[in-house]
Amino acid sequence: GAGVSQSPSNKVTEKGKDVELRCDPISGHTALYWYRQRLGQGLEFLIYFQGNSAPDKSGLPSDRFSAERTGESVSTLTIQRTQQEDSAVYLCASSLDRALYGYTFGSGTRLTVV
Amino acid sequence: QQQVKQSPQSLIVQKGGISIINCAYENTAFDYFPWYQQFPGKGPALLIAIRPDVSEKKEGRFTISFNKSAKQFSLHIMDSQPGDSATYFCAATARGGNKLTFGTGTQLKVEL
Repeated sequence: GAGVSQSPSNKVTEKGKDVELRCDPISGHTALYWYRQRLGQGLEFLIYFQGNSAPDKSGLPSDRFSAERTGESVSTLTIQRTQQEDSAVYLCASSLDRALYGYTFGSGTRLTVV
Repeated sequence: QQQVKQSPQSLIVQKGGISIINCAYENTAFDYFPWYQQFPGKGPALLIAIRPDVSEKKEGRFTISFNKSAKQFSLHIMDSQPGDSATYFCAATARGGNKLTFGTGTQLKVEL
């Protein structure tokens, strides 16, 4: 597609439920990133996929967070047993190859845990 | 060492004025420094970027100034307009790096 597509755009969930967030990157972009943005704060790196290489999971805050990507296509970020502190905007970005080519971000999924 | 420190946190500028946002880094391996602009409800968008082989890069009203010895870089927005009101993030990555490290953001408001 023309841009990075994320769904849903908004998600309200009850504490303790699992949620799944989806990212559809730009076609041909081999790199895909997930970031978290808490209200009024910066961008917190979560995970990075590059082609068929093992993902860089160094930013995942706990084992409740996981992500998958099949090849160079769609990625899903799963948060299990959601907590109120998980409330944030989850941003997905894709890049042609590496970070130095610049990211294209999606509009994000606003997650609210009540 | 991976941090990028950004200031100020928020900034109010009169229309037509100059907006200046500063960033500093520690990692000397960083060699690509982009700035992103984010409007409410949208993801950040690449605005302008610089490599350390030049001290300044200008695109329209936006200029990045880079001081390699001080490990600092800044964004200048000339003739600031209300449409420039947004959150600005600086970022950095090393050559061959696989991810950007972002600053904490600056919320800019340009008043009439």
